[in-house]
Amino acid sequence: GAVVSQHPSRVICKSGTSVKIECRSLDFQATTMFWYRQFPKQSLMLMATSNEGSKATYEQGVEKDKFLINHASLTLSTLTVTSAHPEDSSFYICSASGERGYSPLHFGNGTRLTVT
Amino acid sequence: LAKTTQPISMDSYEGQEVNITCSHNNIATNDYITWYQQFPSQGPRFIIQGYKTKVTNEVASLFIPADRKSSTLSLPRVSLSDTAVYYCLVGVNTGGFKTIFGAGTRLFVKA
Repeated sequence: GAVVSQHPSRVICKSGTSVKIECRSLDFQATTMFWYRQFPKQSLMLMATSNEGSKATYEQGVEKDKFLINHASLTLSTLTVTSAHPEDSSFYICSASGERGYSPLHFGNGTRLTVT
Repeated sequence: LAKTTQPISMDSYEGQEVNITCSHNNIATNDYITWYQQFPSQGPRFIIQGYKTKVTNEVASLFIPADRKSSTLSLPRVSLSDTAVYYCLVGVNTGGFKTIFGAGTRLFVKA
């Protein structure tokens, strides 16, 4: 079945540094990818919708200059957390939309970001 | 954008059948109903998807009444490893479709 690979699975960084998270669709072309963050015991919160070749659409309250999204190809989207702070520590998850409108989403395994 | 409502949590015992119902009163004509399972520190995993009536696969069944305003995920003979959070999503994956997750249902399976 379709697979979405997300890297790294876990990252620890110092406050003020930037971290890049990659999301790849391994065996299908993903014109749309989604980025979420999830705090402990809470549901997934949509951060942005990433469309190949165009600017990402951010949800209200999500700083686009803080969370840079690049979707340069049909198989790769990246999320860069710039100047990370401890409050950015969270579980970040990507998903990719399949070819058909009613295709289920395929999710990466998430990235646990800890900012010290 | 169809909003979904599910029970916050459910408890069950190994070997029992578990039914989780999701309400989606303002589902649109083109919307599909999709259920996902999430274990701690992992991304959600697709379980089953349907449009109407009944869908069955190797892990679950999905029952959708004629008015499509609700759906029921049925897990036959659950095991401890089915302890997870289950999410019901409604929509289609066309451009601009927002995948808004509800609170989900925390299923706890006891021995």
